[in-house]
Amino acid sequence: GENVEQHPSTLSVQEGDSAVIKCTYSDSASNYFPWYKQELGKRPQLIIDIRSNVGEKKDQRIAVTLNKTAKHFSLHITETQPEDSAVYFCAACSSGGYQKVTFGTGTKLQVIP
Amino acid sequence: GAGVSQSPSNKVTEKGKDVELRCDPISGHTALYWYRQSLGQGLEFLIYFQGNSAPDKSGLPSDRFSAERTGGSVSTLTIQRTQQEDSAVYLCASSSPSGTGVETQYFGPGTRLLVL
Repeated sequence: GENVEQHPSTLSVQEGDSAVIKCTYSDSASNYFPWYKQELGKRPQLIIDIRSNVGEKKDQRIAVTLNKTAKHFSLHITETQPEDSAVYFCAACSSGGYQKVTFGTGTKLQVIP
Repeated sequence: GAGVSQSPSNKVTEKGKDVELRCDPISGHTALYWYRQSLGQGLEFLIYFQGNSAPDKSGLPSDRFSAERTGGSVSTLTIQRTQQEDSAVYLCASSSPSGTGVETQYFGPGTRLLVL
């Protein structure tokens, strides 16, 4: 089955700096890679996603890159703000018959004002 | 429109009791997932329902856990003879085929289960 590794587990940055979270996956059949943000005590919310036929996607201050050959994808947050503080989960999804989703273990991001 | 809802939001029970957790997916979503999230941990897949197909139960941790989905909509996760290690947040998510081969999952608020 799929195995998703996520690093780092915790990340502290100064407000205004950039944050990068990296994930690797093992199943070459995975073709969809969403990122979720989970604020303390709240549900995970989709913030950005990328499909396997795209190498990079950007939405304002967040961007995701995908390297299919190396089987890794990354989340980039620029100009971080205190409200970016949360736990971020990556996921790898394959759609063979039905969509199997495997989540990373999460990264706790703290943005220091 | 309405998102995924779950009830109860919090549940405190005594060790050995049975509990039922409910999930109402987004209307029209054919896929429904249950996950467990222990304190400070990631999302542990439990079970998956898709339409009328047989569910994928590969993530259920023991035979004390079971789930049903009636009429392709509401789902109930049942934990029998609860143990303290069952304490966690139980999250439900639903999704629907987009026609592009990907299905975005939308999560409910979760049920926080505490087994004393």
